[in-house]
Amino acid sequence: QVHLQEVGPGLVKPSGTLSLTCAVSGASISSSSSNWWSWVRQPPGKGLEWIGQIYRSGSANYNPSLRSRVTISVDVSENHFSLNLNSVTAADTALYYCARLNYYDSSGFPYYFDYWGQGTLVTVSS
Amino acid sequence: QSTLTQPPSVSGAPGQRVTISCTGSRSNFGAGYDVHWFQRLPGTAPKLLIYGNIKRPSGVPDRFSGSKSGTSASLAITWLQAEDEADYYCQSYDSSLSGWVFGGGTKLTVL
Repeated sequence: QVHLQEVGPGLVKPSGTLSLTCAVSGASISSSSSNWWSWVRQPPGKGLEWIGQIYRSGSANYNPSLRSRVTISVDVSENHFSLNLNSVTAADTALYYCARLNYYDSSGFPYYFDYWGQGTLVTVSS
Repeated sequence: QSTLTQPPSVSGAPGQRVTISCTGSRSNFGAGYDVHWFQRLPGTAPKLLIYGNIKRPSGVPDRFSGSKSGTSASLAITWLQAEDEADYYCQSYDSSLSGWVFGGGTKLTVL
């Protein structure tokens, strides 16, 4: 069974950097040619927002609205991937999820989110 | 404002059938991208229910079924049970974003 767990501080100061790590168990990032690894967030009272995703090679894609502030990295030796979001404001306060994208046979975009972490609340406040 | 539109809430009595709609646009459903559905209970990891419009992962009861036509999709839950009370989300790929979009979520109440 694949398990993802978000790890990181629950409180970040404004203008600082939000850093989270997603520890993966039950699957090997380095062996998973059919998977991408993603971050999604949900601000209180608002909808879910895709932040970005990364492949085992380190190739990453980001939401254009966050691209200037976000970096997603992967450490295959530690079997985890990480999120860094800089210059944070109160608007970045959210429940942050990590999730796995799995490949399937489709005529459209052939991936879907199959496993998620339980999420971690990050508050931006002084 | 979520890219995919869902009703905020639906309800049904145990044993009944409910459907949750999800409306997209030309850049997601209309472009041929599939809809996926997941269930979220407070404090727990979201759980995949349906992928590829109609496919059920192993372990998901056949009480859950999905469909998609044009720019609309729906999730049907038959034989409602108290344990089905949760938030349900639709999700797809969007060519305008070149990324993933979600519905705003629908809270299912089992009366």
